[in-house]
Amino acid sequence: AQKVTQAQTEISVVEKEDVTLDCVYETRDTTYYLFWYKQPPSGELVFLIRRNSFDEQNEISGRYSWNFQKSTSSFNFTITASQVVDSAVYFCALSAANAGGTSYGKLTFGQGTILTVHP
Amino acid sequence: DVKVTQSSRYLVKRTGEKVFLECVQDMDHENMFWYRQDPGLGLRLIYFSYDVKMKEKGDIPEGYSVSREKKERFSLILESASTNQTSMYLCASRQTEDTQYFGPGTRLTVL
Repeated sequence: AQKVTQAQTEISVVEKEDVTLDCVYETRDTTYYLFWYKQPPSGELVFLIRRNSFDEQNEISGRYSWNFQKSTSSFNFTITASQVVDSAVYFCALSAANAGGTSYGKLTFGQGTILTVHP
Repeated sequence: DVKVTQSSRYLVKRTGEKVFLECVQDMDHENMFWYRQDPGLGLRLIYFSYDVKMKEKGDIPEGYSVSREKKERFSLILESASTNQTSMYLCASRQTEDTQYFGPGTRLTVL
């Protein structure tokens, strides 16, 4: 069985602070995909990143960066110089794949972290 | 841009009613999914469909059924709504191998 844990239920920061959202996962599959989604107050989940289990390189996209560490089964998300518009619920998710890397498509989500950025 | 739409943003129904939640995607995606979102539980998969007329149970299918008669449309059916089905329902679609894209959600209240 797969499991995704986001231990931080709520985080509150002041604008321009850096913030890291933690994600720890469990899976028996050797091939899998990890995702981060953002859910702003409007409710629609917005895709942020997908990472293959064979690719442990960290990724940076503007103020966003992701740290994937297979040894600790973690896929953490850092927002640098946070802004009020970053306020949202953030979800980490996991999808199993077969040996050829084909994703089965079923996502297992963490509980979500509510991020509030104050002006 | 991928567009996934859901028939209603808010819905109020009474216990025992049959409820239809509709989801339409305009990108010719093969796979479609229904999730429910509850506080503290994240999103949980109810049903999914890999292709037209195909369906598979997710993690919490009890009390729900689905229909996929056309590729672009995936319906979630609550045969006899109950108060514990009050929740946010999210539809998603993807082309095989691609990322799932989500609709805006339907907040269902069952009284």
